[in-house]
Amino acid sequence: QVQLVQSGAEVRRPGSSVKVSCKASGGIFKSYAFSWVRQAPGQGLEWMAGIIPVFGPPTYAPKFQDRVTITADESTTTAYLELSGLRPEDTALYYCAKGGPDYSFFDLWGQGTVVTVSS
Amino acid sequence: DIQMTQSPSSLSASVGDRVTITCRASQSISTYLNWYQQKPGKAPQLLINAASILRSGVPSRFRGSASGTDFTLTISSLQPEDFATYFCQQSFSSPYTFGHGTKLELK
Repeated sequence: QVQLVQSGAEVRRPGSSVKVSCKASGGIFKSYAFSWVRQAPGQGLEWMAGIIPVFGPPTYAPKFQDRVTITADESTTTAYLELSGLRPEDTALYYCAKGGPDYSFFDLWGQGTVVTVSS
Repeated sequence: DIQMTQSPSSLSASVGDRVTITCRASQSISTYLNWYQQKPGKAPQLLINAASILRSGVPSRFRGSASGTDFTLTISSLQPEDFATYFCQQSFSSPYTFGHGTKLELK
């Protein structure tokens, strides 16, 4: 059974970057779609980007296209989200979420990583 | 982007009540619609995918249905553990957008 374990909380200054990791264990990493979804305090869910390691190229939401990079390392079965040009409004809980062989649904979520952007 | 309009934003109900939450897509999404439950301090949990497919382990009191661009989540008899926030999400096309959520509270 696949489990997703994310890296710990981060605090960053405005304008800087952050990289969050999501380690998958117990399954066939490259066959699954991995997405990053964020949730600002007291707010809803926002899909940012996704990657299916076996297919390679990631998919980005237009809103984040120029600031987000997601990667997947098959050797360590870890997915990464890097967000640059951080703003206070990027303060949120960032989740990685696993799908099936595509983005039809998200059936397993990591525990979330809090990213705080403050001067 | 496909907009998902979810209603109501909040709902007060009692144990044993039947409740309905609705989600409307801004364009046709076939049945590419999922429902998630989120409890405070926890990650969302997938309840229903493809509009009406109940995920393994989810109680049968949860039911999803679709009619055109309108989707409904019905809980037939609320249990204490059902008080949470519910989100719909379309998986028809990227970006995979969510509704704003429905907070189900104990009356």
